[in-house]
Amino acid sequence: EAGVTQFPSHSVIEKGQTVTLRCDPISGHDNLYWYRRVMGKEIKFLLHFVKESKQDESGMPNNRFLAERTGGTYSTLKVQPAELEDSGVYFCASSPFVNSPLHFGNGTRLTVT
Amino acid sequence: GDSVTQMEGPVTLSEEAFLTINCTYTATGYPSLFWYVQYPGEGLQLLLKATKADDKGSNKGFEATYRKETTSFHLEKGSVQVSDSAVYFCALSEGSGYSTLTFGKGTMLLVSP
Repeated sequence: EAGVTQFPSHSVIEKGQTVTLRCDPISGHDNLYWYRRVMGKEIKFLLHFVKESKQDESGMPNNRFLAERTGGTYSTLKVQPAELEDSGVYFCASSPFVNSPLHFGNGTRLTVT
Repeated sequence: GDSVTQMEGPVTLSEEAFLTINCTYTATGYPSLFWYVQYPGEGLQLLLKATKADDKGSNKGFEATYRKETTSFHLEKGSVQVSDSAVYFCALSEGSGYSTLTFGKGTMLLVSP
């Protein structure tokens, strides 16, 4: 089966611009998660979708971040406007059930200059 | 809140050396504990887990024991290989699920021939 796929693998944008990250989970996985690793720090939870609904978005840093999962398939994470501190690696993960192991994508490395 | 502290890297070893990567945690409840590994250019993969005190997780020659009295989950391997070079992340989740993980900062392991 195909794994979790993230696009793009790298993105370099200027402060104030908008960037949209995409995640395609493993087919049939209802649970989709976004995590972020800022340079030198921990990987932090951002939010959790169950199908198209946001189950937990307690980790979203501020209202410049918008996550969607239309139709319960792929998900997008938009940052608008981007700030320097948004630079990092954004990971997506999926799982079939809440209590099953997460399958992570390779991540999107975002650099804001 | 919950937190995970793991030793700073990089850890540099010669092939066949013994490996220990320390991990301690702070949690309000009875967490499940995990080690994830990220090989170069890849996503995070679950390496091993333990869900209750004194459980030992093991996989690919790696082991870690859930020590409630010392709130630790140290990763060990008796004889490392060059192919073990990667970043290792200690993580926890509340209860027995996987969904919302709290990660440490990661420890890079470099193994030379």
